[in-house]
Amino acid sequence: AQRVTQPEKLLSVFKGAPVELKCNYSYSGSPELFWYVQYSRQRLQLLLRHISRESIKGFTADLNKGETSFHLKKPFAQEEDSAMYYCAVMEYGNKLVFGAGTILRVKS
Amino acid sequence: EAGVTQSPTHLIKTRGQQVTLRCSPISGHTSVYWYQQALGLGLQFLLWYDEGEERNRGNFPPRFSGRQFPNYSSELNVNALELEDSALYLCASSLWGNYGYTFGSGTRLTVV
Repeated sequence: AQRVTQPEKLLSVFKGAPVELKCNYSYSGSPELFWYVQYSRQRLQLLLRHISRESIKGFTADLNKGETSFHLKKPFAQEEDSAMYYCAVMEYGNKLVFGAGTILRVKS
Repeated sequence: EAGVTQSPTHLIKTRGQQVTLRCSPISGHTSVYWYQQALGLGLQFLLWYDEGEERNRGNFPPRFSGRQFPNYSSELNVNALELEDSALYLCASSLWGNYGYTFGSGTRLTVV
């Protein structure tokens, strides 16, 4: 079974500082990886997928197969980025396995 | 476009009772997924339905069951409720799994 580890429960940064939310995974094949975000009082929503290599709201994530990591990065944090972020890996059988999540708090 | 809708939003049940939660996927999405988000346990995969069939199941006892209707809407049934079933139950839908899921707002179940 695939596992997803987000080592930080809380990450607190100042506005304008760089952000890196860590995600490590274990896998038995070629992983499909995602980042989801949940803003306060909103539903869980897809932020980005590694297969599309997109940048959403200034966030990017690079798959590092050697380190089995898929860290989420943004060069300059904004207050509206404060949210819960979940890393997820697609397991066999269309099962999306989530990490425990990291709360990002951007301070002004 | 309407998103994934779930009903009810909240409910309170007594231990031993049965509950049915409902989910309507995004139009055109054929797959429906159910997750449990209990306090301190994160998002746990419950069930995946596609084209009316159960395709995958998480590590939950058989008293958690469901079905998918011809219009792709879905129900999650939980029998013999236990206190630890108290959680937020999330439904999601997708057209293809590797495009990611779209989640509903969830149903908050409290078992007393």
